[in-house]
Formats: sequence, structure tokens, C-alpha cells
Amino acid sequence: DSGVTQTPKHLITATGQRVTLRCSPRSGDLSVYWYQQSLDQGLQFLIQYYNGEERAKGNILERFSAQQFPDLHSELNLSSLELGDSALYFCASSVFSSGGGTDTQYFGPGTRLTVL
Amino acid sequence: AQSVTQLGSHVSVSEGALVLLRCNYSSSVPPYLFWYVQYPNQGLQLLLKYTSAATLVKGINGFEAEFKKSETSFHLTKPSAHMSDAAEYFCAVKYNNDMRFGAGTRLTVKP
Repeated sequence: DSGVTQTPKHLITATGQRVTLRCSPRSGDLSVYWYQQSLDQGLQFLIQYYNGEERAKGNILERFSAQQFPDLHSELNLSSLELGDSALYFCASSVFSSGGGTDTQYFGPGTRLTVL
Repeated sequence: AQSVTQLGSHVSVSEGALVLLRCNYSSSVPPYLFWYVQYPNQGLQLLLKYTSAATLVKGINGFEAEFKKSETSFHLTKPSAHMSDAAEYFCAVKYNNDMRFGAGTRLTVKP
């Protein structure tokens, strides 16, 4: 158990809909990262938040957005969903913002999104 | 830009045999390197990481990896495979906030 929790575990929805994925980081971690894992794209970094502020952006679509709240939990919002958005979405957390390579990311169990 | 390549999307070994999973990186600066393992229906778990303290890094579950700058490699090894090692393994390279993962290698262990 990494200490990172994600809800829900599974989500099934229809095209055009909007969903929210939730992540609670490990106790003491200030950074939250979101990743998408799909068969064709592999593991892709989406976005990072540090202590409530957006810190880094990866391959995140404009239809997707995220935020980190004062209690440090984070939400990833996916809108106008398409079939191709079906994937595993992982959240990871770490202590620092960019504290060098020793800043290890700890991953949650993921949310499996299925868009029908 | 940094990137990581994992050679072999599937590796199959017999129980008790040597495990060797290959990872090569490209980075314009000294990298930080990681190996993660993903068991079915689970998230990624850190196996080990290289942070320039020592070139041979020991991780959990008997795995180790050696950083070879001249070969730009960070291959993962385990002397004797166990059935419970069957999983997907990801190599990752990191510089500041930019973390790039390889495509993964699925390890199968035959009895």
C-alpha cells in the first residue's frame, strides 16, 4: 500500500459526458501528479500540482483539467469524453516540487475509466 | 530531451533463472533513473532508483540495477526468478519535474 488513494476504482460512462477522478496523496506529500495509461500510448504524464499550484504540464488535453485543494487532495476533471479516453488514470504523490531525482513518486491504485 | 527505451516488450524466463530487463536512456544531463513494477490491476510500485550515490543499486524483492554511463544503460536484474515476479516493469528517467516512462516489459515466469 503506497498511501495514495484514488476513487472511484472503476468508472463507466458514455461519450460526451464529464467525470471527476479524485486522489488523496500520502500524508506529508505536497505534490500530486496525474498519469494516463492506455494500451496504445503507454504511461503518459498529464499534469502536476504542488501545494495547490499547477507546477508542470504534460500531454494533457484541453478537455481535461485538474486542481489541488487546500487539504492537498486533487481532482482530475475529464469532459466531452470520447471513446479514446478509456484508460487507467493514476495519481502519484511526492514530497517536493522539483527536489531533484531523490524525490520519489508513489502511485495510487488507479481509476479505470471506460467510455462507451 | 530525455527519453527511455526498454528493449523487449515481453520477456519469458523459467523459475530460478536469471532475470534481465533492459533499459537505455538518453539525457542531456546526468539522469535520475527508476524502475517500477506493476502487478495486474494495481498501481506502480517503486523497485529501486539511481540517484548518483552508487552505480549498483539494490532494490526490493531481490532486484538490482547497474548504472553504466558509457552504455547509457540501467538494466534490471535478479539472479533467480520467482513466480511472484510475473508483472510489468517500467524504467523511467527524470530530470526536474520531467518524468518519462518506457513502454514497459512484461515478465512471464514459467514453472
